[in-house]
Amino acid sequence: GAVVSQHPSWVICKSGTSVKIECRSLDFQATTMFWYRQFPKQSLMLMATSNEGSKATYEQGVEKDKFLINHASLTLSTLTVTSAHPEDSSFYICSASTPPVEAFFGQGTRLTVV
Amino acid sequence: QKEVEQNSGPLSVPEGAIASLNCTYSDRGSQSFFWYRQYSGKSPELIMSIYSNGDKEDGRFTAQLNKASQYVSLLIRDSQPSDSATYLCAVKRITGGGNKLTFGTGTQLKVEL
Repeated sequence: GAVVSQHPSWVICKSGTSVKIECRSLDFQATTMFWYRQFPKQSLMLMATSNEGSKATYEQGVEKDKFLINHASLTLSTLTVTSAHPEDSSFYICSASTPPVEAFFGQGTRLTVV
Repeated sequence: QKEVEQNSGPLSVPEGAIASLNCTYSDRGSQSFFWYRQYSGKSPELIMSIYSNGDKEDGRFTAQLNKASQYVSLLIRDSQPSDSATYLCAVKRITGGGNKLTFGTGTQLKVEL
């Protein structure tokens, strides 16, 4: 299957700082990437859809000014958690879509805000 | 009503048995269906995809789809302890809802020795 690389795999940051997470499709071009958040023992919740060259589409209840998404190229999307707080601690996962409509996931980023 | 429903489990089966995982969905416009396996602390990995009614087999895994009943299932034959994980059902509506997946909450499978 296609390879999606997500970096970093884990990060600890201080409350109030910003954290950037990268998602790269290594062997295909992804016009669409998705960002999910998963709290312990819960399912994946879609945060936003990232489209190359255009603004991201955020799901209801997700603050676009707090979770900044940039899809600079067909192989790279970034999620920046701005002014992070402990309640933002979660497992963040990206996925990239390529025809047929299957999604391949990155390894995930465990964010801990202290 | 949740868009994609799964029994959270845990579903316990003995090693070598068949594990049956079920999923129902509410959107009749759903056209693509996926099963993902997620180990604790890891991201999901695609196990099976199915797009038309009937069965689709891949090794020890068989996906079954019944669009009339809005039901999709995953059978795992000869279950192994390494199959112990959470299995996520996901559906996609190609039009209207864009290109995004909607996930169920997952079923935890435990394969016991």
